[in-house]
Amino acid sequence: GENVEQHPSTLSVQEGDSAVIKCTYSDSASNYFPWYKQELGKRPQLIIDIRSNVGEKKDQRIAVTLNKTAKHFSLHITETQPEDSAVYFCAASNSNTGKLIFGQGTTLQVKP
Amino acid sequence: EAQVTQNPRYLITVTGKKLTVTCSQNMNHEYMSWYRQDPGLGLRQIYYSMNVEVTDKGDVPEGYKVSRKEKRNFPLILESPSPNQTSLYFCASRFLAGGVEQFFGPGTRLTVL
Repeated sequence: GENVEQHPSTLSVQEGDSAVIKCTYSDSASNYFPWYKQELGKRPQLIIDIRSNVGEKKDQRIAVTLNKTAKHFSLHITETQPEDSAVYFCAASNSNTGKLIFGQGTTLQVKP
Repeated sequence: EAQVTQNPRYLITVTGKKLTVTCSQNMNHEYMSWYRQDPGLGLRQIYYSMNVEVTDKGDVPEGYKVSRKEKRNFPLILESPSPNQTSLYFCASRFLAGGVEQFFGPGTRLTVL
């Protein structure tokens, strides 16, 4: 069945460094790729998304890239801050089925 | 305020005692869904509904039931809870059209003894 693989499962960086989280999806018909951030004890919240007709999207310190050929997409956080510490989930969706499939999550720790 | 609400937020129960977790949204979303979150396994979909009276199984439906009698409500029912259903549960909703943001409820932490 369809699945989304996410790596790494944990990531520790020094404040100010960059962080990269990578995901691979299996359903070639996937066309929407959101990223969610879940702070400790809270609900997942959308931080950025990208559609299959776009290769890259930026929003201040975060950016997402998509390689449709390789079925890879990545989240890039620059100039990390302690408040970026959270669990990050990637997801892929096929607009025909409507199903949103999540990766396993990455726990990001930003050390002051 | 546009939101998804869940109740209760925390629940400790015993094996076999039927329970219901309620979920409600005020955004007129067609699509509603239940997930469970377990360490290392991410968010796994239990059941989803694409509209009133339309429900379908997700990836881990065993031991759960749902209903969608009204557009705004999507309760999750555990007829006979077991310890392996101890988990963090999230309800979510969105418009049916693909490529739109999904909104999550605050979560329900369930412990089955």
